[in-house]
Amino acid sequence: DAKTTQPTSMDCAEGRAANLPCNHSTISGNEYVYWYRQIHSQGPQYIIHGLKNNETNEMASLIITEDRKSSTLILPHATLRDTAVYYCIFPPGDGGSNYKLTFGKGTLLTVNP
Amino acid sequence: EAQVTQNPRYLITVTGKKLTVTCSQNMNHEYMSWYRQDPGLGLRQIYYSMNVEVTDKGDVPEGYKVSRKEKRNFPLILESPSPNQTSLYFCASSLSLASIHEQYFGPGTRLTVT
Repeated sequence: DAKTTQPTSMDCAEGRAANLPCNHSTISGNEYVYWYRQIHSQGPQYIIHGLKNNETNEMASLIITEDRKSSTLILPHATLRDTAVYYCIFPPGDGGSNYKLTFGKGTLLTVNP
Repeated sequence: EAQVTQNPRYLITVTGKKLTVTCSQNMNHEYMSWYRQDPGLGLRQIYYSMNVEVTDKGDVPEGYKVSRKEKRNFPLILESPSPNQTSLYFCASSLSLASIHEQYFGPGTRLTVT
């Protein structure tokens, strides 16, 4: 998967919104932005994905800038259980032989009491 | 509950002793995959399967085998494990090619080969 840039770590107070940014300036027109998270030593968990419109589901909201070069994942009311590494990726849109997920280093979000 | 299960969750074994890690999903997913995760190396794909009887190599297939005789099961076989296969292993599945990147992961199997 192509390169994204995320902060190494962020802190958030419990009950507040967590806003996790991601830069993906090389994304092309047909490539979706995906967000996953991984709680320590557990399996990665799919959160949300989007192409150009903002998306919301029961876990989070995804805001994608108009030029699609960056996005923000929003956890509206962070809890201690949201402490995890969050990964932003954009897999190649044509699929082809790339039927895999490749994560970068992600952002370690720590939710504090 | 929709889920991907793996067994065992933890395994300590010795070099050369064949082992199988099972993976099962109850979501009728077509695509299944095995990854290993190592510190500093991230998630690397071992093998994947697009459907029953269809499997293909990922990035690090050496030393591993897989089979997909039924849609729900995708076991990972280490015929002769070696210490460099000590790792955290994840099985994942997704509904179809159209949603290939929306993958659901199992809880992981931590394997130690001595």
